Amino acid sequence: EMQLLESGGGLVQPGGSLRLSCGASGFTFSSYAMSWVRQAPGKGLEWVSTLSGRGGNSYYADSVKGRFTISRDNSKNTLYLQMNSLRAEDTAIYYCAQDSPAYGDAFDIWGQGTMVTVSS
Amino acid sequence: QSVLTQPPSVSGAPGQRVTISCTGSSSNIGAGYDVHWYQQLPGTAPKLLIYGNSNRPSGVPHRFSGSKSGTSASLAITGLQAEDEADYYCQSYDTSLSGSGVFGGGTKVTVL
Repeated sequence: EMQLLESGGGLVQPGGSLRLSCGASGFTFSSYAMSWVRQAPGKGLEWVSTLSGRGGNSYYADSVKGRFTISRDNSKNTLYLQMNSLRAEDTAIYYCAQDSPAYGDAFDIWGQGTMVTVSS
Repeated sequence: QSVLTQPPSVSGAPGQRVTISCTGSSSNIGAGYDVHWYQQLPGTAPKLLIYGNSNRPSGVPHRFSGSKSGTSASLAITGLQAEDEADYYCQSYDTSLSGSGVFGGGTKVTVL
């Protein structure tokens, strides 16, 4: 069974940093682009970032560009999101998701999410 | 404000048909990019419901269907059931933005 499990969320002060992890199992991790999608409390989904399977191409939403860095370690089947200069508006549940070529690059597999709270 | 526009809410009685619109522009849906739809039940992660405008992943009931025309797309639920009460999101891509996915603002479906 294909699974994703996020970790690393928590409470951080404005201006602080946090690194999220997403562990994958049940599929050949390096064959898939992976993405982060977030959801602020009571709000809709917002795409954050995508990284290609081998890690050579990355994309970011304008709202996080220059502050967040997506990376992956294919030997550990793990996706990361390094978040710096955090702001209150970054408070959200962060989901990792698999981009599935079989489904037109839709986000097929999702983790359960990890909560990030930016507050003093 | 989302790049893709959805109605905030729709409602219907059990057994009825409801539709959710997703309106974009010439830089996203109108540029030929596929539209995908997700269902999010309360307190859970989103689930892929429709991919490539009108295709259902295995396990998704046939009462869910999708279509696309011009700069808009639609999700239809026929034979509405109580378990369909959820938030629904459309997603596509946009040439004017930095990279990948753009989501609609989401539509809450209420079963009366």
